[in-house]
Amino acid sequence: GQQVMQIPQYQHVQEGEDFTTYCNSSTTLSNIQWYKQRPGGHPVFLIQLVKSGEVKKQKRLTFQFGEAKKNSSLHITATQTTDVGTYFCAATSGGSYIPTFGRGTSLIVHP
Amino acid sequence: NAGVMQNPRHLVRRRGQEARLRCSPMKGHSHVYWYRQLPEEGLKFMVYLQKENIIDESGMPKERFSAEFPKEGPSILRIQQVVRGDSAAYFCASSGDEGSTDTQYFGPGTRLTVL
Repeated sequence: GQQVMQIPQYQHVQEGEDFTTYCNSSTTLSNIQWYKQRPGGHPVFLIQLVKSGEVKKQKRLTFQFGEAKKNSSLHITATQTTDVGTYFCAATSGGSYIPTFGRGTSLIVHP
Repeated sequence: NAGVMQNPRHLVRRRGQEARLRCSPMKGHSHVYWYRQLPEEGLKFMVYLQKENIIDESGMPKERFSAEFPKEGPSILRIQQVVRGDSAAYFCASSGDEGSTDTQYFGPGTRLTVL
């Protein structure tokens, strides 16, 4: 089945530093979604990207979908302690309605 | 504006007992998905249901696990004769439309612990 590789698995940053997580697939994706899960919580939908080369921003968060629709990234500018959590990408391809989740990147922000 | 609801939030069972996990989708949503999450792992798809129909159960173990979404009432994930390896967080998600572009909204999860 489809594989979605997400890196890094963990990222420690000092508050104020930037953070980026990447998702890569060997197949062309229909769309990609990003979720955030706080420790002990549940995944919360952040955004969905559909178009090739799409870039979307939400305050300090920037989401990109690659031109070939095989990779995506989430970038956080000037991290805050409230950004702590695990960020997951979830991708669908072909005619499937079942997203494949990456393993997630756990962000730890040190004050 | 209730979101996806799951109960119980925490469930403790002894080996060999049955576990029943319930999920009520968001109002207006007719599609339910169940996922399992082990500690520090991603979410693994188990089953996708619409009202009274199982659409895709390719991620669900063939033995001991079953799921339903009746015409009335919540969706239920049932695990018979639980074993320690079943300990995990089980999340359900709902969406309002079929199709790969639709967004799934997650419930708070049920944390199952098998003693």
